[in-house]
Amino acid sequence: GQNIDQPTEMTATEGAIVQINCTYQTSGFNGLFWYQQHAGEAPTFLSYNVLDGLEEKGRFSSFLSRSKGYSYLLLKELQMKDSASYLCAVMDSNYQLIWGAGTKLIIKP
Amino acid sequence: DAMVIQNPRYQVTQFGKPVTLSCSQTLNHNVMYWYQQKSSQAPKLLFHYYDKDFNNEADTPDNFQSRRPNTSFCFLDIRSPGLGDAAMYLCATSRDTGAVATQYFGPGTRLLVL
Repeated sequence: GQNIDQPTEMTATEGAIVQINCTYQTSGFNGLFWYQQHAGEAPTFLSYNVLDGLEEKGRFSSFLSRSKGYSYLLLKELQMKDSASYLCAVMDSNYQLIWGAGTKLIIKP
Repeated sequence: DAMVIQNPRYQVTQFGKPVTLSCSQTLNHNVMYWYQQKSSQAPKLLFHYYDKDFNNEADTPDNFQSRRPNTSFCFLDIRSPGLGDAAMYLCATSRDTGAVATQYFGPGTRLLVL
């Protein structure tokens, strides 16, 4: 079966750095997406990785290792507004998105 | 601004009473999706349309139907809502299918079944 694993919940301090990991086992691979979802709202697109390595976008970076079936989302200089769930999703060989359940990130002052 | 719009944001219905949720998009994307998301769970794909071609997920209950009368609009019909259908319903669009088909979501409709 296809599976996406991410931690259920993480806590970090305002101003700090946090890394949210995602591991996957899917039928084929056509890219990995990270989305941010605030409580009661829709997911918003953060990043897309299809090649190995690090993609940086401001305070957010996303890393991919296809050989290890592994990605992480790195958030720097954390702000209170970063409190949200972060969903990892992989596009399989049929171009279907397989979603993780999300990691709820709690930011403390 | 180009966007995905869902109405209403909150919908209350009674057990067994049909309900329709609507989605519109100004992005001119070919593909539209309906997802169901329950609290602290991954979004679950119900159907998607590539233009007018309808694609039903194998495990989507018959109680859920969809219509896409034109490129801009898509509807989700729940024929006989049960208590287990209470969830957030998310509409998304993408320009195309295939690689780099980033999906853009509407704000969602939260359905409550009494």
